Amino acid sequence: DAKTTQPPSMDCAEGRAANLPCNHSTISGNEYVYWYRQIHSQGPQYIIHGLKNNETNEMASLIITEDRKSSTLILPHATLRDTAVYYCISQEGSNFGNEKLTFGTGTRLTIIP
Amino acid sequence: DTGVSQDPRHKITKRGQNVTFRCDPISEHNRLYWYRQTLGQGPEFLTYFQNEAQLEKSRLLSDRFSAERPKGSFSTLEIQRTEQGDSAMYLCASSSPYRGNSEAFFGQGTRLTVV
Repeated sequence: DAKTTQPPSMDCAEGRAANLPCNHSTISGNEYVYWYRQIHSQGPQYIIHGLKNNETNEMASLIITEDRKSSTLILPHATLRDTAVYYCISQEGSNFGNEKLTFGTGTRLTIIP
Repeated sequence: DTGVSQDPRHKITKRGQNVTFRCDPISEHNRLYWYRQTLGQGPEFLTYFQNEAQLEKSRLLSDRFSAERPKGSFSTLEIQRTEQGDSAMYLCASSSPYRGNSEAFFGQGTRLTVV
């Protein structure tokens, strides 16, 4: 079973920042937070992951609370192509590669023109 | 780097028939995963390989399902005696444990419809 909870849906205006919350209150010390997204009819796409520090890459920023019980994915300037289902996953990870991912039902983000 | 390739993209089969799907991972990725996704749900883990060894199988993988990765490169997923409940998107992913990150790359999936 998924160990994260996310709102089922969100809307965001095009050009604005999209902030997607995720609760992972039972996360353990060696579990990372991963974010993937799935655009309609495609396979999931990796976005970002982190352990306890905030992370940023060319796609998004990940803000993890100090107690690590929740996080927020930020898409700084949402475009219509960011409309997708976004999955937050807490999972053991290591420099030795991904283990299996346990997906929940995610947040359906709709970017509104 | 051509990405993870899955074939076919769509398959319609009659109940009771056998079907086989193929996945070609990113070259040099030694980990390969199969997932199944039904409408409105997130992907569910089925099995994974490290090189040619099948290291874990989900309880979702009934006796009618078999996966192979004979030479540690491409993989096949076979479903015998298909049932309507097998209708789903079957996704393949690959990753490398030597890249220093934990990113899994997914293919476009094979959509199976059992009629």
